[in-house]
Amino acid sequence: GNSVTQMEGPVTLSEEAFLTINCTYTATGYPSLFWYVQYPGEGLQLLLKATKADDKGSNKGFEATYRKETTSFHLEKGSVQVSDSAVYFCALSDQGSGNTPLVFGKGTRLSVIA
Amino acid sequence: DAGVIQSPRHEVTEMGQEVTLRCKPISGHNSLFWYRQTMMRGLELLIYFNNNVPIDDSGMPEDRFSAKMPNASFSTLKIQPSEPRDSAVYFCATQREARGDTQYFGPGTRLTVL
Repeated sequence: GNSVTQMEGPVTLSEEAFLTINCTYTATGYPSLFWYVQYPGEGLQLLLKATKADDKGSNKGFEATYRKETTSFHLEKGSVQVSDSAVYFCALSDQGSGNTPLVFGKGTRLSVIA
Repeated sequence: DAGVIQSPRHEVTEMGQEVTLRCKPISGHNSLFWYRQTMMRGLELLIYFNNNVPIDDSGMPEDRFSAKMPNASFSTLKIQPSEPRDSAVYFCATQREARGDTQYFGPGTRLTVL
């Protein structure tokens, strides 16, 4: 079945450091890939997505590229801010028939210190 | 658009009581998902509906849990009787009927069962 594996946290970085959160997936078809972010006390929000191979999703300085050859969708940001402290979830959506639930990774908690 | 609306935002109840969580999807969204989030188990899918019809309830923990979607504008998740291990944050998420489209999450209901 489909699955998502993302790096274990927590990750602690200093402000302006470079961020990478690794995400790899297993899927039978050609899924859409997502990064969601959850700020403290809030629901999950879509951060970025990519729907086909070699697509790059980007938002708020974050980027991730859909790599079919390595089945990966790593999240990167060149310079993190304290306000980026949150839990980040990688997810996939099977593009089979109809709407199907997202398959989430376990989440990676990021703490950015000033 | 108001986004996904959940109520109540917080619920504290005593073991054995009935709990009803409510969700109003974004207008025009055909799929609705109920998730539960705990520190120990992360984010779990409980049940989802397409066009008001339950598609997969295999994630519902036991018979004490039930969910309904009587129309396109409203869904409930009921726990009867509640137990302390049901304490969690419950999220509702909705999606348009389009493959690979984004799921939008509500703010969640934080349930505490004493």
